[in-house]
Amino acid sequence: TQLLEQSPQFLSIQEGENLTVYCNSSSVFSSLQWYRQEPGEGPVLLVTVVTGGEVKKLKRLTFQFGDARKDSSLHITAAQPGDTGLYLCAGGPRFVLHLGRLYFGRGTQLTVWP
Amino acid sequence: DTEVTQTPKHLVMGMTNKKSLKCEQHMGHRAMYWYKQKAKKPPELMFVYSYEKLSINESVPSRFSPECPNSSLLNLHLHALQPEDSALYLCASSQDSDKGVSYEQYFGPGTRLTVT
Repeated sequence: TQLLEQSPQFLSIQEGENLTVYCNSSSVFSSLQWYRQEPGEGPVLLVTVVTGGEVKKLKRLTFQFGDARKDSSLHITAAQPGDTGLYLCAGGPRFVLHLGRLYFGRGTQLTVWP
Repeated sequence: DTEVTQTPKHLVMGMTNKKSLKCEQHMGHRAMYWYKQKAKKPPELMFVYSYEKLSINESVPSRFSPECPNSSLLNLHLHALQPEDSALYLCASSQDSDKGVSYEQYFGPGTRLTVT
């Protein structure tokens, strides 16, 4: 059973377009992290959202945490080829004895064409 | 500084070889992790060390043997691997790994392992 459902799985767009990636769960999370990973490299932490309803911006990237802390979204404005990569959401559910284990979504493979 | 380092960057080994992967962090983190990742898939947790003690083993085959010599170092000893073990092996660290708290994990660049 996948605790975090991430969609879409693949996204191929032209430079300059906007896009949104979704991360949904039926469980409450104490926080959610978003990572970006390039081929052959480790995931790089982009942001952590902690408070329900929270919105964080990182240049052209906007991250939102749902009011109930069960879902999150990543919106990219005016995508650029440098945004290409695998985007992963991950977190620890609030009422689970996870011992630090991070639960990952399946990832969104984003390709931005020039 | 949120750097986790891993060596080697690439490793090719035969099925009868013994090799080790190394990971180091100097952030004062007390939890360290090994993950295995196949192409275009999310990382799969293998082991968690908390305060230098093994706290999670995700039913990993015994041909993978983790070791935590001190709070900054994490090793993964490899022996008699199979071709299907070829993957990107990632190390990560976090401030802690408390029972119900989710801490940010910082990943190293990974070791690309090929088993021939």
